[in-house]
Amino acid sequence: DGGITQSPKYLFRKEGQNVTLSCEQNLNHDAMYWYRQDPGQGLRLIYYSQIVNDFQKGDIAEGYSVSREKKESFPLTVTSAQKNPTAFYLCATRGGGSDEQYFGPGTRLTVT
Amino acid sequence: SQQGEEDPQALSIQEGENATMNCSYKTSINNLQWYRQNSGRGLVHLILIRSNEREKHSGRLRVTLDTSKKSSSLLITASRAADTASYFCATALATYGNNRLAFGKGNQVVVIP
Repeated sequence: DGGITQSPKYLFRKEGQNVTLSCEQNLNHDAMYWYRQDPGQGLRLIYYSQIVNDFQKGDIAEGYSVSREKKESFPLTVTSAQKNPTAFYLCATRGGGSDEQYFGPGTRLTVT
Repeated sequence: SQQGEEDPQALSIQEGENATMNCSYKTSINNLQWYRQNSGRGLVHLILIRSNEREKHSGRLRVTLDTSKKSSSLLITASRAADTASYFCATALATYGNNRLAFGKGNQVVVIP
């Protein structure tokens, strides 16, 4: 069963706590991406990684951190420094010589 | 940076009618892609058009690209209730190669049965 897994689907945290969102893929894709989506808005790029052990900041990286220790996994940590963390977070991959991105089902994070 | 801007932002049509959405962008691109998102779900890739292409078809979808006007349109013919979704254009900026996409804010399309 190939695809991208994001867990959990819903996540609730108290303000001031760090939280890590999981993204796992078995598509053997090199590139992985994290986006944030706010209600009625498009996607904004947080971080992306084109290869293991390497990643780049996107447009809104402040308050977030990532790691890419394995090809299959690209976890995103939302730190307490992120001022408005409540949002829908989407992970995506790209690979196999294709320019299109494949998206996971998303994690809805609510911080109160 | 947000590059794609879709127009109109919301569209309500009867089943069987055609739906047209437009997208404009500001800087040079390698390709432009359209994605669909059902409520609360991930995005699904629909179609990709490269900067040297002018028109592309895929099933009931037709996309055009005018690089001189920096704009694209997506046409869905003979719409169905299942086409109800948000549609996003995304551009692969020439600056970054095909390594990252800039998404527009999306079009909400409602197809009334």
